[in-house]
Amino acid sequence: SQQGEEDPQALSIQEGENATMNCSYKTSINNLQWYRQNSGRGLVHLILIRSNEREKHSGRLRVTLDTSKKSSSLLITASRAADTASYFCATDFNTDKLIFGTGTRLQVFP
Amino acid sequence: DAGVIQSPRHEVTEMGQEVTLRCKPISGHDYLFWYRQTMMRGLELLIYFNNNVPIDDSGMPEDRFSAKMPNASFSTLKIQPSEPRDSAVYFCASRTGLAGVSYNEQFFGPGTRLTVL
Repeated sequence: SQQGEEDPQALSIQEGENATMNCSYKTSINNLQWYRQNSGRGLVHLILIRSNEREKHSGRLRVTLDTSKKSSSLLITASRAADTASYFCATDFNTDKLIFGTGTRLQVFP
Repeated sequence: DAGVIQSPRHEVTEMGQEVTLRCKPISGHDYLFWYRQTMMRGLELLIYFNNNVPIDDSGMPEDRFSAKMPNASFSTLKIQPSEPRDSAVYFCASRTGLAGVSYNEQFFGPGTRLTVL
């Protein structure tokens, strides 16, 4: 069974708007990662946040982590059409394995 | 480096046939993962290797599935016999890092889209 559940399942916005995606998980984690998947491609790593961190930034990406609520959010600011993709969270806990969420499909209209 | 390489990119076969998917990980990576992605079940980990040794195959759906890693630069995922419900995109990913720690990012290949008729 998948650990991460993401919402919304799908999100449509205009270029320039911000996009926020949320991920909830069920058990303790060591780290949480976000990946992007363009249509017909493999996943690409975006950012990692450790369980003792609350917020992390990378370019137009901002990730927050609330371990008390077992949730994380990914904010993409000033979105572009090229940001159109599916976004997945992935967690691990004392293991080599990553458990991926269900994903959010983001559509950015020019 | 060319990244993770998978072949074939597309495979169409008939039920009952044997299917072999291939993966070449990034040179120097210690870990190799096989995933399956479907609309219904999302992205599932099938099996992973560390230093060519299978560590966890609990995600392999049934005995029809097998995976090998004969050396550090090559792995195969075999389905015999194939069934229509095996239709999915199969991804291979690799990473480096310490055993028992997964904070290193995984690098994914482009995937093999398998259709079993």
